[in-house]
Amino acid sequence: SYEMTQPLSVSVAPGQTATITCEGDSIGRKNVHWYQQKAGQAPFLVIYRSDNRPSGVPERFSGSASGGTATLTISSAQAGDEADYHCQAWDGDTSFFGGGTKLTVL
Amino acid sequence: QVQLQQWGAGLLKPSETLSLTCAIYGGSVSVYHWSWIRQPPGKGLEWIGEIYQGGRTGYNPSLRSRITISIDTSKKQFSLTLKSVTAADTATYFCARGLTRKSPLDTWGQGTLVTVS
Repeated sequence: SYEMTQPLSVSVAPGQTATITCEGDSIGRKNVHWYQQKAGQAPFLVIYRSDNRPSGVPERFSGSASGGTATLTISSAQAGDEADYHCQAWDGDTSFFGGGTKLTVL
Repeated sequence: QVQLQQWGAGLLKPSETLSLTCAIYGGSVSVYHWSWIRQPPGKGLEWIGEIYQGGRTGYNPSLRSRITISIDTSKKQFSLTLKSVTAADTATYFCARGLTRKSPLDTWGQGTLVTVS
């Protein structure tokens, strides 16, 4: 079983930069995907393969991964960015998710 | 623009079998990988398994003994069966699409809350 650890919560002031981490063994060597999930909704892909942004996702969202940490960065955070964020990666033939991070913009 | 619409029984008793179906609208069936993911109330996501390439499957080892994922390409639907449910299986279940194994899940169903009580 492959474990990925995310902080339970992150807070950011409007207009500032939020950083959400996902720690796992050699995660920098894996393709990490990030999903945004707003209350009562299905997850939505915001970053794929560690540092790629799907079309339609604001440039404020970026990702990186190195060593044992993958990072989702949200610059100029807005109230509409409040959500849970989940990292995902594969280890062998099984996919795993981190525990999720609640982002609060206040 | 592909859409996924899912349905199934929302309330089960312990030991019963969970059955969910996901319909694929507006896209090809055979090209993609079709996954099931679940989320217990207030908790994170858990990958259940996937089906692809004419019926090949991949399952989460923690659930493998109880789950079956199948696909009906003529109806453009795929399904999840989970046997012998317990309260620990209470969760919102999502279906989702990926291009290949390890690809991101770019399209999700709306989710179905299944309660075991």
